[in-house]
Amino acid sequence: GAVVSQHPSRVICKSGTSVKIECRSLDFQATTMFWYRQFPKQSLMLMATSNEGSKATYEQGVEKDKFLINHASLTLSTLTVTSAHPEDSSFYICSAKVMNTEAFFGQGTRLTVV
Amino acid sequence: GNSVTQMEGPVTLSEEAFLTINCTYTATGYPSLFWYVQYPGEGLQLLLKATKADDKGSNKGFEATYRKETTSFHLEKGSVQVSDSAVYFCALGGSQGNLIFGKGTKLSVKP
Repeated sequence: GAVVSQHPSRVICKSGTSVKIECRSLDFQATTMFWYRQFPKQSLMLMATSNEGSKATYEQGVEKDKFLINHASLTLSTLTVTSAHPEDSSFYICSAKVMNTEAFFGQGTRLTVV
Repeated sequence: GNSVTQMEGPVTLSEEAFLTINCTYTATGYPSLFWYVQYPGEGLQLLLKATKADDKGSNKGFEATYRKETTSFHLEKGSVQVSDSAVYFCALGGSQGNLIFGKGTKLSVKP
């Protein structure tokens, strides 16, 4: 199947700093990318949907100024957690798809804010 | 809104045991249903799917049938292997092409 690479897999940052997470589709061009977040023992929750070249659509309750999403090309989307706080510590997963095909997932990023 | 309720784990089985992981859903309309698997250190992978009522998805010995009358999509495998140890997620297709997930069930298979 298609490969989606997410980087970094783990990151620890200090409170107040920003962290960027990259999601790349390695062997296909993704028209849509999704960002999910998973708290311990909880479901993966959709944070936002991004289409190449347009602004991301955020789910209710997700702060767009805190979680900046950029989908500048058909193979790359980035999620930047700005001014991170310990409550932002979580597991973030991206997925990418083309039109009506299945979505392919990255490996996820474990963010720890100290 | 649409939601998925999945059997909570962890589930521990011996090799060759029968596996069932329950999944029920609440949805308007008839969305596609999926099972994803996440092996340690890897991303989620599509295990199987069903797009309409009474469809049976199957892959690698796993099966799940889309039951409209019971709003269920239970995952089954007749004989599990150690290599099946992973976290399994039930999901339904959202209106934007996204997925709505259950909480995941961790399966550990002992030799």
